[in-house]
Amino acid sequence: DADVTQTPRNRITKTGKRIMLECSQTKGHDRMYWYRQDPGLGLRLIYYSFDVKDINKGEISDGYSVSRQAQAKFSLSLESAIPNQTALYFCATSSSSGAREQYFGPGTRLTVT
Amino acid sequence: ILNVEQSPQSLHVQEGDSTNFTCSFPSSNFYALHWYRWETAKSPEALFVMTLNGDEKKKGRISATLNTKEGYSYLYIKGSQPEDSATYLCAFRGTGGFKTIFGAGTRLFVKA
Repeated sequence: DADVTQTPRNRITKTGKRIMLECSQTKGHDRMYWYRQDPGLGLRLIYYSFDVKDINKGEISDGYSVSRQAQAKFSLSLESAIPNQTALYFCATSSSSGAREQYFGPGTRLTVT
Repeated sequence: ILNVEQSPQSLHVQEGDSTNFTCSFPSSNFYALHWYRWETAKSPEALFVMTLNGDEKKKGRISATLNTKEGYSYLYIKGSQPEDSATYLCAFRGTGGFKTIFGAGTRLFVKA
């Protein structure tokens, strides 16, 4: 079983709809992240969380919100989706010590029409 | 604004060619430099983490070097194989907190 899972894997939605992307991890990591990837750009950080009570904005948080329901779960919401939020979304986790490399989920491809 | 640049953006080589590409990052407040390998339709996977100036890491035919004073890292692939085709991402982690910045990646195509 994958250590970091994301649901759904693909989603097509209409402008103005609310949508939630979910992420779960079994690695026991404290830190979790949401990124989006657009063609020609690197991974851009939307939000990150160092533990259940710690939520921080990343570089492109406008139009998004998150919830850390438990150590293992971190969900990303688009309150009112718009077409320029069409992208590939990745959840990642890392330990709070050591090398801190990030472990990524399989990604969610979101299309907003 | 912290900037992480990777070059070239894409690279086409023949099987058996050796190749290298570059990651440039801020030379101040350095903590660590990560390399990830990202195959199409999969998620990025960690290759190396490098923390000391002059570090060299190797995994099979892939190796990486680090120069923190001038702010660059090279990734080398010796004798490229079609299965090396992927996007190679570098990520800079600075001191003073969490901040990790990803480059846009180098997309490598290896033709058999």
